[in-house]
Amino acid sequence: AQKITQTQPGMFVQEKEAVTLDCTYDTSDQSYGLFWYKQPSSGEMIFLIYQGSYDEQNATEGRYSLNFQKARKSANLVISASQLGDSAMYFCAMRGAATSGTYKYIFGTGTRLKVLA
Amino acid sequence: DGGITQSPKYLFRKEGQNVTLSCEQNLNHDAMYWYRQDPGQGLRLIYYSQIVNDFQKGDIAEGYSVSREKKESFPLTVTSAQKNPTAFYLCASSIRATQHFGDGTRLSIL
Repeated sequence: AQKITQTQPGMFVQEKEAVTLDCTYDTSDQSYGLFWYKQPSSGEMIFLIYQGSYDEQNATEGRYSLNFQKARKSANLVISASQLGDSAMYFCAMRGAATSGTYKYIFGTGTRLKVLA
Repeated sequence: DGGITQSPKYLFRKEGQNVTLSCEQNLNHDAMYWYRQDPGQGLRLIYYSQIVNDFQKGDIAEGYSVSREKKESFPLTVTSAQKNPTAFYLCASSIRATQHFGDGTRLSIL
């Protein structure tokens, strides 16, 4: 069975510092994708970053980077130079192999990040 | 602008009533999904659809129904059989790797 685990219910970080949000996953699929989403208090899900299981380089998107350690089955999100606007809920998600042509996605329980001024 | 539109933003249901949440996308995506989110929780999959007139149950389909008569539209009906419908509902679509989400509908019981 596929599973995403986020063990940090809440995190604090000082403005301008870096923060790492943890995510571990479990899957028997050889091909899969890992995602991070940001959910502000308004509720919308904002796509941040994607890592494919065959990608050798860690994904980066501006201040976001994904620390992908395949052997450890971890896909931690690193936010550099935190800003007050980064305060939100962050979800790790995984897309497994397609079944009948359709991908299913599973989500972790999220980490609430609060950036302190 | 291309995107996913969910309506209404807020919805109230009376006991014993069915309500329908709308989801429309103009991204030309094949796959569409409905998720339920409870306070402080992650997203749980209700139903998903890869093509018109075909859809599959997700992990928590009981008490819900969907239709996919057009590629652009994937409405979700919360039936009276769903005894605890109060939640935030998110619709998504995808092509290849990434899912795109609508802004969600908050459903409450009167």
